[in-house]
Amino acid sequence: DTGVSQDPRHKITKRGQNVTFRCDPISEHNRLYWYRQTLGQGPEFLTYFQNEAQLEKSRLLSDRFSAERPKGSFSTLEIQRTEQGDSAMYLCASSPRGAPGAQYFGPGTRLLVL
Amino acid sequence: TQLLEQSPQFLSIQEGENLTVYCNSSSVFSSLQWYRQEPGEGPVLLVTVVTGGEVKKLKRLTFQFGDARKDSSLHITAAQPGDTGLYLCAGAGGGSNYKLTFGKGTLLTVNP
Repeated sequence: DTGVSQDPRHKITKRGQNVTFRCDPISEHNRLYWYRQTLGQGPEFLTYFQNEAQLEKSRLLSDRFSAERPKGSFSTLEIQRTEQGDSAMYLCASSPRGAPGAQYFGPGTRLLVL
Repeated sequence: TQLLEQSPQFLSIQEGENLTVYCNSSSVFSSLQWYRQEPGEGPVLLVTVVTGGEVKKLKRLTFQFGDARKDSSLHITAAQPGDTGLYLCAGAGGGSNYKLTFGKGTLLTVNP
C-alpha cells in the first residue's frame, strides 16, 4: 500500500517565477487537502477537494495560488509570481470515506523563493 | 476561529522516563488526531480519537480525548530515543469539510 507522494521534494526558485507541485493521494481516498507549514508552526489549511470538486479555500490562498484535481485523482498546486513569503513546506494529505479526519500526509515539497 | 494550544512546547528527557503532552482548545472537534513529524518530512498519523472520553493505546503511547471533545493528551511510557520528534495534535471540524486545525507542536528529545 503506497502512501501519499509529492513531487518535487525540494524547489528553489527566483521571486516572480511560477512553480507547480504535484500530489498523488492514496488510491481510493476521496478527499485531498493542501496545507502549508512554516518553521516553528503547525500546518495550516489551504484548500480541500472531495473527488474532483474544490469545496473550500482558505483566505491564505491568494489569487496567485490555484489548485486542481482533474478526474479526482492527483492534484496540482500552482503558485504564480512567487514571493519570498511563499517559502514554506507545502503538504498534501488524503483521507478515506468514513474517516475524513484521519488524514495521511505526504513527505511535502520544500519551497525556497530567493 | 478554532485554536489548539499544546504544552509543553519543548521537552527534553532521559531514556526510560514517562511524559505527557497536552492539547487544549475552547472549541469542540469531531475528531482529534495526533501526529509525529521528523525534520524535513510530513507528519505521520499516530491515532484518531472520535468519542468523548475515549482512550486508545498504541504500544507505549496512550491517547485520551476529553469528555467534552475539546482537549486531548498523549502519554508516553518508558520513552526511547526513537520517540524523539515533533508531536502535533490536530482537530477536525465538522460539517462536510473536516479540515484540520493544528497546534504548534511539542518538540520531544529523548536522550540515551
